[in-house]
Amino acid sequence: KQEVTQIPAALSVPEGENLVLNCSFTDSAIYNLQWFRQDPGKGLTSLLLIQSSQREQTSGRLNASLDKSSGRSTLYIAASQPGDSATYLCAVSNTGNQFYFGTGTSLTVIP
Amino acid sequence: DAGITQSPRHKVTETGTPVTLRCHQTENHRYMYWYRQDPGHGLRLIHYSYGVKDTDKGEVSDGYSVSRSKTEDFLLTLESATSSQTSVYFCAISSGQGVNTEAFFGQGTRLTVV
Repeated sequence: KQEVTQIPAALSVPEGENLVLNCSFTDSAIYNLQWFRQDPGKGLTSLLLIQSSQREQTSGRLNASLDKSSGRSTLYIAASQPGDSATYLCAVSNTGNQFYFGTGTSLTVIP
Repeated sequence: DAGITQSPRHKVTETGTPVTLRCHQTENHRYMYWYRQDPGHGLRLIHYSYGVKDTDKGEVSDGYSVSRSKTEDFLLTLESATSSQTSVYFCAISSGQGVNTEAFFGQGTRLTVV
């Protein structure tokens, strides 16, 4: 069974810092990996999807990388802002129709 | 935003009563999912559907049943609610088409069983 781990569970940084969130998975035979953002009391919002054949995807200040062979992905957030404070989750899909989630990293950006 | 509506958004019910949560999508996606989210456990799959009347169990299916009579609707039923089913429930959808498959989530239903 696919296991997804996100470390650290919580992270606090001052505004303006660049930061990296980590996601690791045990089975490298994935179709894709998705990063989500979840605000308190809200649903999950998709940020980036990386197909298994891709190495990275970028959206604005966000850059997600994927190293499938080592079972790792990182989400890089440039010039962090207080509005970036949220929980970030990663999910991998082995078959294209099943998703396995990490427990998330709770990010706080201090003004 | 993907067109996914969950209802109700909040519900308080008593132990032993039946409860039905509804998920409605306007994207015509083939796959629909029900997850529960609890502190320390993350998102856990309860049941999913891969078409009308086609459903399968997830990792935490005990005490839950589902039905999908139309492409756009996926119902989750707690036959006899217990306090351990107090949770936030999320519906998700996906097209299920290989490497481009992206999951989209509803806003969640907060269920409290007293």
